[in-house]
Amino acid sequence: SQQGEEDPQALSIQEGENATMNCSYKTSINNLQWYRQNSGRGLVHLILIRSNEREKHSGRLRVTLDTSKKSSSLLITASRAADTASYFCAIPTGANSKLTFGKGITLSVRP
Amino acid sequence: NAGVTQTPKFQVLKTGQSMTLQCAQDMNHEYMSWYRQDPGMGLRLIHYSVGAGITDQGEVPNGYNVSRSTTEDFPLRLLSAAPSQTSVYFCASSYGWNTEAFFGQGTRLTVV
Repeated sequence: SQQGEEDPQALSIQEGENATMNCSYKTSINNLQWYRQNSGRGLVHLILIRSNEREKHSGRLRVTLDTSKKSSSLLITASRAADTASYFCAIPTGANSKLTFGKGITLSVRP
Repeated sequence: NAGVTQTPKFQVLKTGQSMTLQCAQDMNHEYMSWYRQDPGMGLRLIHYSVGAGITDQGEVPNGYNVSRSTTEDFPLRLLSAAPSQTSVYFCASSYGWNTEAFFGQGTRLTVV
């Protein structure tokens, strides 16, 4: 089944810097979703972007989708230590559009 | 609203024992699913349900059973626990597969 592949696997930045994370996929999609997971917690939904959308914003988060390149980016602007977490892209896949996840990106924001 | 509630939060089992991980949601979601999360593997889908009475297998179903007798509950049964089932298990629910999913806090299972 298709799943997104996130890049990079790990990212370490200074507080106040921007963090850019990427997700690539192989076949056509209906939508792509980004989730955050704080250490020891469940996943929290951040943004869903549909295949006919190119960009969505939510607070300091900006997600883009390029269906021609089969890729999406998640940008966190003016990062904070509290943004330290793992970030996953997820894609509805196959019969019944089961939600499948990539392996995630570990973001560390240094104070 | 409680959202998605998983119990227990932690469990230690001996090889060969059976147990049931509980998952309940109060959002009237039709879609529910179970994932396991292992280091370096991301989340892998075990079983899912698109409504009461309807279940299907995900990517890694072997060794697990599910049933969905009500909209609210989606228990995951380990039939005969094996060390390879040591993992963190997450239950999720959503209105539909093309909408956001809500996750429980997870069950950390260790099989010795």
